[in-house]
Amino acid sequence: KAGVTQTPRYLIKTRGQQVTLSCSPISGHRSVSWYQQTPGQGLQFLFEYFSETQRNKGNFPGRFSGRQFSNSRSEMNVSTLELGDSALYLCASSLDPGREDEQYFGPGTRLTVT
Amino acid sequence: KQEVTQIPAALSVPEGENLVLNCSFTDSAIYNLQWFRQDPGKGLTSLLLIQSSQREQTSGRLNASLDKSSGRSTLYIAASQPGDSATYLCAVHNAGNMLTFGGGTRLMVKP
Repeated sequence: KAGVTQTPRYLIKTRGQQVTLSCSPISGHRSVSWYQQTPGQGLQFLFEYFSETQRNKGNFPGRFSGRQFSNSRSEMNVSTLELGDSALYLCASSLDPGREDEQYFGPGTRLTVT
Repeated sequence: KQEVTQIPAALSVPEGENLVLNCSFTDSAIYNLQWFRQDPGKGLTSLLLIQSSQREQTSGRLNASLDKSSGRSTLYIAASQPGDSATYLCAVHNAGNMLTFGGGTRLMVKP
């Protein structure tokens, strides 16, 4: 069974631009979560989607948004990029948002904002 | 608000040593705890998942324990190898299907 895939793997953008990242969960997994990893803040929860609905959101500004499609694939969008948005963006999938589900992570998208 | 702390932040050991990584959390109302490994610039690889009702889990040379009441978990690595060099992260699974991560322990195993 294929793991979680994320595209693109690397991205360089300029301040003020916007970016869209994509995540395909493990087949059959319906919950997708997004995390931001930076050297200063570590891993922080962005949001979680299940059945095309955002169920939970972390403490990030409205410039960060996402969506989930009917096939459970998810995208996240960051508008008006800032230098501080440079980070590794990771998505994770789990079978459903049950409390005891193991979460599986993709390889991440490395975003550099210049 | 859940806070997760990992000690030590970095560890360097000679090959063959047994070692213990520590993780503590402030809110014991967790659903489960997961240990991950991260190689530089890569994603997270799940190592062990301990359900809130369990005390420990084992996989090969790895053993993880969980003491919910005291807010602590340990990851024991037996007979360490250079290939074990990586950052090890613990994460607690809170309400809302959200993981709260510790800062990680950067492990270097020297040949």
